[in-house]
Amino acid sequence: QITLKESGPTLVKSTQTLTLTCTFSGFSLSTYGVGVGWVRQPPGKALEWLALLYWDEDKRYRPSLKNRLNITHDTSRNQVVLTMTNMDPVDTATYYCVSRSNILAFFDDWGQGTLVTVSS
Amino acid sequence: QSVLTQPPSVSGAPGQRVTISCTGSSSNIGNYDVHWYQQLPGTAPKLLIYSNKYRPSGVSDRFSGSKSGTSASLAITGLQAEDEADYYCQSHDNSLSGVIFGGGTKLTVL
Repeated sequence: QITLKESGPTLVKSTQTLTLTCTFSGFSLSTYGVGVGWVRQPPGKALEWLALLYWDEDKRYRPSLKNRLNITHDTSRNQVVLTMTNMDPVDTATYYCVSRSNILAFFDDWGQGTLVTVSS
Repeated sequence: QSVLTQPPSVSGAPGQRVTISCTGSSSNIGNYDVHWYQQLPGTAPKLLIYSNKYRPSGVSDRFSGSKSGTSASLAITGLQAEDEADYYCQSHDNSLSGVIFGGGTKLTVL
């Protein structure tokens, strides 16, 4: 059974850096085709893909946010960490950790999400 | 504004069939698969259809997907109250070199 769980602050201030951790189980990020990433959803709005880390350590980012994002893998703890710098109130959203189990580009599994509010 | 265009809302009576469209371009749907997600109120999205037309295990056969050219569609037959949710299409965009989502469609069961 695959599980993904997000953790991190629920409130950050403008200009601060957000660090979110996704702790996963039930699969290995070393397996060919597997990926773990992040998707966010501002209140009442659509889903936005942010970043994806592939089994081969390749990393992809949303182009408009590329300069602010960094995704890393802590292999010893089965965790993927997303950092987003220079937070702004428009970054207020529910942040979901997502996984893909194969080379096909869809997200099989989603975490429950964590709401992050950015105060000015 | 999303790269993939979906109608903001659709509705139908119980038992009816509804379709949700997802329109893109040659840089995305025209050359890549489309996937669909269902987001029930207050919950995380769930994979509904992958690679244009395949259902993950456990997804009702009342849901079906199709793709033609630069557009895709999700069809729901035998509409039920529990189908009331937001539906999102997703693909890959070559120009943006990444994952893209549609703007989402809210399905209301009358």
